[in-house]
Amino acid sequence: DGGITQSPKYLFRKEGQNVTLSCEQNLNHDAMYWYRQDPGQGLRLIYYSQIVNDFQKGDIAEGYSVSREKKESFPLTVTSAQKNPTAFYLCASSSRDSLNEKLFFGSGTQLSVL
Amino acid sequence: GDSVTQMEGPVTLSEEAFLTINCTYTATGYPSLFWYVQYPGEGLQLLLKATKADDKGSNKGFEATYRKETTSFHLEKGSVQVSDSAVYFCALIFSGGYNKLIFGAGTRLAVHP
Repeated sequence: DGGITQSPKYLFRKEGQNVTLSCEQNLNHDAMYWYRQDPGQGLRLIYYSQIVNDFQKGDIAEGYSVSREKKESFPLTVTSAQKNPTAFYLCASSSRDSLNEKLFFGSGTQLSVL
Repeated sequence: GDSVTQMEGPVTLSEEAFLTINCTYTATGYPSLFWYVQYPGEGLQLLLKATKADDKGSNKGFEATYRKETTSFHLEKGSVQVSDSAVYFCALIFSGGYNKLIFGAGTRLAVHP
């Protein structure tokens, strides 16, 4: 079945540690996105990528980094510079053929600080 | 800037009750409007959408009409079920460019038998 797979489902970060969240899709979608979800604040865009080897900052990119070396993969690293990393992280993808209007979401990763 | 405002939750209803979740938006142009649903522990799924004024999106008994005059896209369902318990997000997007969906804060719906 086609879809988006995020791993791990739960992740814990120690002080000063970098952690990487995985996102893989087998939908052959060009564009991929990372959103952060905090209670009562909806979803905020961290980074997005429209094509392999290219990505742009979203609204809250500080303290995060990404790479897009393969079409199907868009990992997100939460660096030690992100002082408030506890949140639910959602990865999404879309196809240009869908007129840029429909995003497919993964099931999310809950990141917590120890 | 562009934004989406939803009614605060949680909304608690009995099974078979009528549901309305209010959504209004602020935008400089004419966006497409969406409702996404998030079940516990899962990602978001597209529930319905409308791409121009007076369009009505519908799916699984849910409906929403794009009202340009009131900049609203309220979600309604005539008879809710326990399985409808979830968080509902209103969102907007402008065509062209990348898919920057702007989300509301979400409204949690709890339906009791």
